[in-house]
Amino acid sequence: DTGVSQNPRHKITKRGQNVTFRCDPISEHNRLYWYRQTLGQGPEFLTYFQNEAQLEKSRLLSDRFSAERPKGSFSTLEIQRTEQGDSAMYLCASSPGGVGEKLFFGSGTQLSVL
Amino acid sequence: AQSVTQLGSHVSVSEGALVLLRCNYSSSVPPYLFWYVQYPNQGLQLLLKYTSAATLVKGINGFEAEFKKSETSFHLTKPSAHMSDAAEYFCAGQYGGSQGNLIFGKGTKLSVKP
Repeated sequence: DTGVSQNPRHKITKRGQNVTFRCDPISEHNRLYWYRQTLGQGPEFLTYFQNEAQLEKSRLLSDRFSAERPKGSFSTLEIQRTEQGDSAMYLCASSPGGVGEKLFFGSGTQLSVL
Repeated sequence: AQSVTQLGSHVSVSEGALVLLRCNYSSSVPPYLFWYVQYPNQGLQLLLKYTSAATLVKGINGFEAEFKKSETSFHLTKPSAHMSDAAEYFCAGQYGGSQGNLIFGKGTKLSVKP
């Protein structure tokens, strides 16, 4: 069990550029979640996958955001045409599945949009 | 709307003193409830969770939380604070109807004075 891994740890980009983050969950975990956290706030749910199927998306996930989990293992979160308001910590978590299950979080990717 | 509220964005206690971090949830139907801790530069870690089996839940590092339906509360306590408890603590609820969506409070930063 190597934990949930997120890359990169930090990303600085200019407004209007596209960025992509990667998350490697704990192996055998069926569920994978993306959250966003801004300063002074708790994590806000973005989306989650059950294996390769994206089962739920938050209203926070605008058309500029897309997430994939093509083979039910790692996942990518892409933000197109970044805006300064996208600056945040993007957290990934995984779990074996089921309601009430513990989530295992990665250390996050800190995005700064200049 | 479903929500989780943490009273006090910052709590400061002396080493050895009682720790009390407050959390209230909305809804007449209690969600699954969790407390997570976030140390600097680390991912969120589960402290404990309530899933209706028992109202007093014991977690790691000497923390416990009591579920009180009449007060819609799930406060976190620890009898004697240690310097290593300094971190940010998040209460979260998972409501029925959304198996993927953990709703987090805004967090409480705990400082421990020597």
